[in-house]
Amino acid sequence: GQSLEQPSEVTAVEGAIVQINCTYQTSGFYGLSWYQQHDGGAPTFLSYNALDGLEETGRFSSFLSRSDSYGYLLLQELQMKDSASYFCAVRDNYGQNFVFGPGTRLSVLP
Amino acid sequence: DGGITQSPKYLFRKEGQNVTLSCEQNLNHDAMYWYRQDPGQGLRLIYYSQIVNDFQKGDIAEGYSVSREKKESFPLTVTSAQKNPTAFYLCASRVRGDQPQHFGDGTRLSIL
Repeated sequence: GQSLEQPSEVTAVEGAIVQINCTYQTSGFYGLSWYQQHDGGAPTFLSYNALDGLEETGRFSSFLSRSDSYGYLLLQELQMKDSASYFCAVRDNYGQNFVFGPGTRLSVLP
Repeated sequence: DGGITQSPKYLFRKEGQNVTLSCEQNLNHDAMYWYRQDPGQGLRLIYYSQIVNDFQKGDIAEGYSVSREKKESFPLTVTSAQKNPTAFYLCASRVRGDQPQHFGDGTRLSIL
């Protein structure tokens, strides 16, 4: 089967750093993506890793270890507007479609 | 501006009725996708299409149908066979290769 696991909830304070982990088990693997979704809104793309290592985009970084089937999203200098759900997604099936994790709800406290 | 447009934003379905959700993109993307999201859950793939006149079933295709007659358009029909259609429906598109999906704003479907 295909499955992705993420923590269901994470809480942190403004200015802090938080890491959201994602482990996956899929029939194929062509890359790990991260999306942010505010309540009632559409998911927006944050980051993508096809190869092992760290990708940095402003306050957000994403890491991948293909040998461990593991990745994480790192959010630095947290702001109240970062309160949202974060989803990891694996591109599989010869790269044709995506399998999404259950999502991690991040709450940023003042 | 380029983007993905989903309509309507809210839709109500009566018992035994088929309803169609619209998804149009002007990004010139080849691939298009339909997802269903239940409250507090992740996205589940209903159907996807890589090229015009071709589409594939996702994980939860039963009770749904699609067509891809034009590159820009990928409508989803929720049939009366889908007994639990209440959900948030998201359409996405992307170019091929290592490119991310772009999502529309979604359609929220409820049963009357």
